[in-house]
Amino acid sequence: GENVEQHPSTLSVQEGDSAVIKCTYSDSASNYFPWYKQELGKGPQLIIDIRSNVGEKKDQRIAVTLNKTAKHFSLHITETQPEDSAVYFCAVIKAAGNKLTFGGGTRVLVKP
Amino acid sequence: KAGVTQTPRYLIKTRGQQVTLSCSPISGHRSVSWYQQTPGQGLQFLFEYFSETQRNKGNFPGRFSGRQFSNSRSEMNVSTLELGDSALYLCASSASGDSSYNEQFFGPGTRLTVL
Repeated sequence: GENVEQHPSTLSVQEGDSAVIKCTYSDSASNYFPWYKQELGKGPQLIIDIRSNVGEKKDQRIAVTLNKTAKHFSLHITETQPEDSAVYFCAVIKAAGNKLTFGGGTRVLVKP
Repeated sequence: KAGVTQTPRYLIKTRGQQVTLSCSPISGHRSVSWYQQTPGQGLQFLFEYFSETQRNKGNFPGRFSGRQFSNSRSEMNVSTLELGDSALYLCASSASGDSSYNEQFFGPGTRLTVL
């Protein structure tokens, strides 16, 4: 089955700096790549996603890049703020259906 | 628009009991998926329902089952609870069942503790 690896598992950055989280996947049929942010006591919240026909997508301070040849995608957060502290998950979906396969998560701590 | 709601939010059961969790998707959404989240295994897919039919199933034993009603609300049931079933159970809803629109929105989860 699909396997998704996410790195790093923890990330500590100074407020204002950038944070980058990387994921690799195994199934070349995967075509949808969402990122979720999970805060303590809450369910994962969709923050940005990208489809296989696009190489990059940006939404204010967050951006996602996709390299289908290398089968990896990354989340970039610029100008980090304390409220960005959370656990971030990457995920993939194959062409049909809604089954999300998640990476292991990255705990991000933004220090003021 | 109201988000995904899950009830109850917290549940404590003992080994051998059974439990039923409920999920109400976002209005208009017809696909409901269930996930189990644990510190050791992370987020794992249980199953997905679309138009009252199970469309996908993960690698969980038959003790885990679910159903979906005509109003798209879904329930999942775990029978003969084991200590290892302690987890956060998350429900996600999606507007469509086809591959062209897969945004999924999660509820707050039900925290199940098995003693």
